[in-house]
Amino acid sequence: GAVVSQHPSRVICKSGTSVKIECRSLDFQATTMFWYRQFPKKSLMLMATSNEGSKATYEQGVEKDKFLINHASLTLSTLTVTSAHPEDSSFYICSASLGDGYTFGSGTRLTVV
Amino acid sequence: AQSVTQLGSHVSVSEGALVLLRCNYSSSVPPYLFWYVQYPNQGLQLLLKYTTGATLVKGINGFEAEFKKSETSFHLTKPSAHMSDAAEYFCAVSDRGGSYIPTFGRGTSLIVHP
Repeated sequence: GAVVSQHPSRVICKSGTSVKIECRSLDFQATTMFWYRQFPKKSLMLMATSNEGSKATYEQGVEKDKFLINHASLTLSTLTVTSAHPEDSSFYICSASLGDGYTFGSGTRLTVV
Repeated sequence: AQSVTQLGSHVSVSEGALVLLRCNYSSSVPPYLFWYVQYPNQGLQLLLKYTTGATLVKGINGFEAEFKKSETSFHLTKPSAHMSDAAEYFCAVSDRGGSYIPTFGRGTSLIVHP
């Protein structure tokens, strides 16, 4: 089946640094990808929708200059958390759209210290 | 507009007992409906989905769900719970499939007692 590979699974970074999270579709082309943030014991919060070759569409309240999304190819979307702060610590999950559903990456646990 | 309500943030069952996780939705068009399972520190895995056709959908790990349009429900069931079923379960709705942004419920944590 369609697989999305998300990397890294865990990352610890210092406050003020930037972190890049990659999401790759391994055996299909993903024209649309979604980036979610998940707080403890909470549902998924959609951050942005990225379409290959165009600018991402951010949800209300999500800082586009802080959470940079690039979808330069049909198999790769990246989320860069810039100038990370402890409050950015969270679980980030990517998802790719399929014809009649979605497939998810395994998530990235970001801890900012 | 679409929305999903999962009744009960936690459901506790004994091993071998029936599992019932409730999901109600609202959608302005015929919906696509999904159930996902999430284990700790992992992404979401599709259990089953309803798009069109048969309203009783069978998924992986013995789970099934029935789309009831009159009740706007898509409850998830499993006849006999296993310890390995303990996880977070999310119901989601989408208008017309994968190109459209899905809306997720808040999740239900399934606890299985020995």
